Amino acid sequence: AQSVTQLGSHVSVSEGALVLLRCNYSSSVPPYLFWYVQYPNQGLQLLLKYTSAATLVKGINGFEAEFKKSETSFHLTKPSAHMSDAAEYFCAVSTAGANSKLTFGKGITLSVRP
Amino acid sequence: GAGVSQTPSNKVTEKGKYVELRCDPISGHTALYWYRQSLGQGPEFLIYFQGTGAADDSGLPNDRFFAVRPEGSVSTLKIQRTERGDSAVYLCASSLVRGAYEQYFGPGTRLTVT
Repeated sequence: AQSVTQLGSHVSVSEGALVLLRCNYSSSVPPYLFWYVQYPNQGLQLLLKYTSAATLVKGINGFEAEFKKSETSFHLTKPSAHMSDAAEYFCAVSTAGANSKLTFGKGITLSVRP
Repeated sequence: GAGVSQTPSNKVTEKGKYVELRCDPISGHTALYWYRQSLGQGPEFLIYFQGTGAADDSGLPNDRFFAVRPEGSVSTLKIQRTERGDSAVYLCASSLVRGAYEQYFGPGTRLTVT
């Protein structure tokens, strides 16, 4: 069984400030981890993924995440927020099992203040 | 190239009616997934196809839900005797093969049962 916890439902930052979105996972086998972004009225878009290679993963739009096995975490960061980063962000976990279905967290809404 | 497409984009139906939701995956993608996203929640897995067969339907909530993929490409999610609790956004995703490959999501079908 696998699960994802995203604490808090809403994060608000000022433009130019650090973005930190937290994700903790639970998995009985080595996980694959993903961050997806969902803009209003659009589908989910992959930001980045961890698949057992480098623990620091760089994605699109300046985002990155670090896999920390000891903390069972995969937090998403961006050094400087932009207004266009306002969206909903989902962390998801899967495994190299039979179907690799994604198990998502509840999501975090990121707001960026001018 | 074309992404995952889903039709209709919106569907309003009355309680008790039958609905079909269609998904056109990216050409060549053998794996196809259906998820359901309720308001304020992350997507939840419904069913996974590898080719024409449903390899895992453990996420289907009850026997009113059924999905097919007869030729290994287009898939249809069918809901009988719809209930108000079925109202959600139904998302389809496809990937090249199972495993660590990225799942590409469609824009979803918003189903409203009145």
